[in-house]
Amino acid sequence: EVQLLESGGGLVQPGGSLRLSCAASGFTFSSYAMSWVRQAPGKGLEWVSIISGSSGDTYYAGSVKGRFTISRDNSKNTLYLQMNSLRAEDTALYYCAKVGEGDYDFYAFDIWGQGTMVTVSS
Amino acid sequence: DIEMTQSPSTLSASVGDRVTITCRASQTISSWLAWYQQKPGKAPKLLIYQASTLESGVPSRFSGSGSGTEFTLTISSLQPDDFATYYCQQYNSYATFGQGTKVDIK
Repeated sequence: EVQLLESGGGLVQPGGSLRLSCAASGFTFSSYAMSWVRQAPGKGLEWVSIISGSSGDTYYAGSVKGRFTISRDNSKNTLYLQMNSLRAEDTALYYCAKVGEGDYDFYAFDIWGQGTMVTVSS
Repeated sequence: DIEMTQSPSTLSASVGDRVTITCRASQTISSWLAWYQQKPGKAPKLLIYQASTLESGVPSRFSGSGSGTEFTLTISSLQPDDFATYYCQQYNSYATFGQGTKVDIK
């Protein structure tokens, strides 16, 4: 069964850091780009970042560029999001999502995890 | 950046109704568009990609159409399980979601 399981969320003070992880199973992890998408409480979906499958190319939304870093360890089938200089507006449920087509960095997201909650507050 | 605008924001409908949701892109995105369904407390679920291709396992009452800047998601006969929020997403240039359309019970 294809599965994504996020972890690492929690409560952090403004200006602090947090690292999220997403453990993947059931598919050839290195063959697909992977993404982080977030959803603030009661709000819509916001794309955060994508990393390609093998080349390691990375892309970021303007709202997180320079503060967040996406990475992956294909030997561990794990995706990461290092979040620095956190702000109150980063408070959200963070989803890990798999890009649906192996030949593309950007495509529809066919598999989603259940999310991990990040709360930025003093 | 490409902006995606959905209409309406909320739609009240009854079981059996035909429902149409519109998504407009601020610039042309060819057919690089997906639709998702999200229920409260759950992750989004992919319904349609490439504007009109039904994801495996999605009921055939869901359909998508359009290209360029204007797209529609149609539910041919609304079922009780379909009351949810729907999002469009472009992936022509990076990724952007629409603001969502909540389909609730009339």
